[in-house]
Amino acid sequence: DVKVTQSSRYLVKRTGEKVFLECVQDMDHENMFWYRQDPGLGLRLIYFSYDVKMKEKGDIPEGYSVSREKKERFSLILESASTNQTSMYLCASDSGGNYEQYFGPGTRLTVT
Amino acid sequence: AQSVTQLDSQVPVFEEAPVELRCNYSSSVSVYLFWYVQYPNQGLQLLLKYLSGSTLVKGINGFEAEFNKSQTSFHLRKPSVHISDTAEYFCAAEIQGAQKLVFGQGTRLTINP
Repeated sequence: DVKVTQSSRYLVKRTGEKVFLECVQDMDHENMFWYRQDPGLGLRLIYFSYDVKMKEKGDIPEGYSVSREKKERFSLILESASTNQTSMYLCASDSGGNYEQYFGPGTRLTVT
Repeated sequence: AQSVTQLDSQVPVFEEAPVELRCNYSSSVSVYLFWYVQYPNQGLQLLLKYLSGSTLVKGINGFEAEFNKSQTSFHLRKPSVHISDTAEYFCAAEIQGAQKLVFGQGTRLTINP
């Protein structure tokens, strides 16, 4: 079974802190994605990556950055957390050929 | 710009009743279409997908969806729901070759006994 794991299920941070969200997949997938999920807005794409050290902006990249140093790991970074970044963050991966994204369980981030 | 619209934010139904969750997309190019399900406190998992061919697509857990190009719709149906179908359902679209998905707002399906 494909497995996508995220480093934390729940995270509480203070305004202005630097926050790292980690995602690891075990299926050698080329593509990895970071979304945020908010009620009534569905999932919105923050960043995605086609390959190691490659990254592309999604629909809402402002306030975020990403890092992909190894194929299996894709990190989302909040340089200076703000309260409007309180949300559920979902990581996903796919192989690019089977048109199915596999999702992690999500990290619920609260910024106070 | 491509968008995906789910017309109902919440759908309550009784157990064993049929259900239809509506999804419309807007795009001037061919798209691939998907339905994902999110059970409480879990990530999303794929229910079914339409890439080409037959417009009626069957997925897991007894769900099916019909692609209607003229109405730009991809509605999800199940003839008889169970309590375990309680979840949030997301419609998504990918423009061919884009390698990224656009999601609808989600529909929360609540099953009453």
